[in-house]
Amino acid sequence: ETGVTQTPRHLVMGMTNKKSLKCEQHLGHNAMYWYKQSAKKPLELMFVYNFKEQTENNSVPSRFSPECPNSSHLFLHLHTLQPEDSALYLCASSQVAGLSYEQYFGPGTRLTVT
Amino acid sequence: AQKVTQAQTEISVVEKEDVTLDCVYETRDTTYYLFWYKQPPSGELVFLIRRNSFDEQNEISGRYSWNFQKSTSSFNFTITASQVVDSAVYFCALRRSGGSARQLTFGSGTQLTVLP
Repeated sequence: ETGVTQTPRHLVMGMTNKKSLKCEQHLGHNAMYWYKQSAKKPLELMFVYNFKEQTENNSVPSRFSPECPNSSHLFLHLHTLQPEDSALYLCASSQVAGLSYEQYFGPGTRLTVT
Repeated sequence: AQKVTQAQTEISVVEKEDVTLDCVYETRDTTYYLFWYKQPPSGELVFLIRRNSFDEQNEISGRYSWNFQKSTSSFNFTITASQVVDSAVYFCALRRSGGSARQLTFGSGTQLTVLP
């Protein structure tokens, strides 16, 4: 176990639903990340939070809305998703963002949009 | 622009064989970091190694070894005497020493299957 937990592990939602993904890190890190992993594609960075402040939004559609209430918790709020948003969503954390520290990943949430 | 290429999409070996996973990168930076991650079927990416661009020494950790060659922009990963538990997707990644986290670029991964 890497010290990064994600819930739920699996989620099936309709295009009109609203749901949230949760990530929690127990490593004392100050940076947290959301990645999207689609089949046959490299990992795509979505958002970065450094000391609770969003520092990166990698041109992510507004139907994905992140929230970082403190350095240990990160949420991804989902609404009116599309089938192409089905993917594995990975959360990661590191000491700080923007430096060479390695990132520690959670197990991911497997999202299916029907 | 940065790019990481893992040309081997899938590799299958029999247990106890040695296997090398290739990673070729492109960057204009003189200072950068390279990483390898393992993604087992459970999903989470597990950090394996970080190497900075000034350190070309090869590294060995148990059955794992890494060969970094700046001249060929490669950072290959070898598993010696492979085991079934090594079956996973392995990702190589490249990162600038400064700048934003956006600069962490992953390859598309190599699916390694070790057969008993």
